[in-house]
Amino acid sequence: GAVVSQHPSWVICKSGTSVKIECRSLDFQATTMFWYRQFPKQSLMLMATSNEGSKATYEQGVEKDKFLINHASLTLSTLTVTSAHPEDSSFYICSARMRQRRVGTEAFFGQGTRLTVV
Amino acid sequence: DAKTTQPPSMDCAEGRAANLPCNHSTISGNEYVYWYRQIHSQGPQYIIHGLKNNETNEMASLIITEDRKSSTLILPHATLRDTAVYYCIVRPEPNTGNQFYFGTGTSLTVIP
Repeated sequence: GAVVSQHPSWVICKSGTSVKIECRSLDFQATTMFWYRQFPKQSLMLMATSNEGSKATYEQGVEKDKFLINHASLTLSTLTVTSAHPEDSSFYICSARMRQRRVGTEAFFGQGTRLTVV
Repeated sequence: DAKTTQPPSMDCAEGRAANLPCNHSTISGNEYVYWYRQIHSQGPQYIIHGLKNNETNEMASLIITEDRKSSTLILPHATLRDTAVYYCIVRPEPNTGNQFYFGTGTSLTVIP
């Protein structure tokens, strides 16, 4: 099956610094990637949708200047949490949609990145 | 903007069938029912989806009521590794650009 890989799996950073999370589709081209955030014991919340070569579309309430998304190629999207604060500590998950879609290929999810801001 | 209602938690004995219900009474004619699961601290995993007919694959079966207002995911022989949060999602047909919006899901615990 299709594989989506996130890097790093976990990261600890100091408050005020920026952190970049990578999401790669390893064996397929992804025209669209999605970024989610999940706080403990809560569901996944969609943050933004990114299409290759264009600006990301952010969900209501998500600060675009704080969560920078770049989707420069069909296999890579990055999420940068700028000036991170402890309240940004969360589990960040990406998903990717295949360029050639068939039944059941709507979204493949990465393994997630655990961000802890201290 | 989840359109589904699921019980928050369920238990199931190992080896028995796990039946997870989902209510989607406002589902539209072009919307599919999808099921994903999330094992602790991992990304969601696709299980199955359907429109109106019952579906079965190597992981599970999906039973959709005739009026499509509810569905049941069946894990025929639950194992300890099936302990996870199960999400029922409704969304338009596969080839649209719509995102997945997750509800609160059902936390299934398989008991030895």
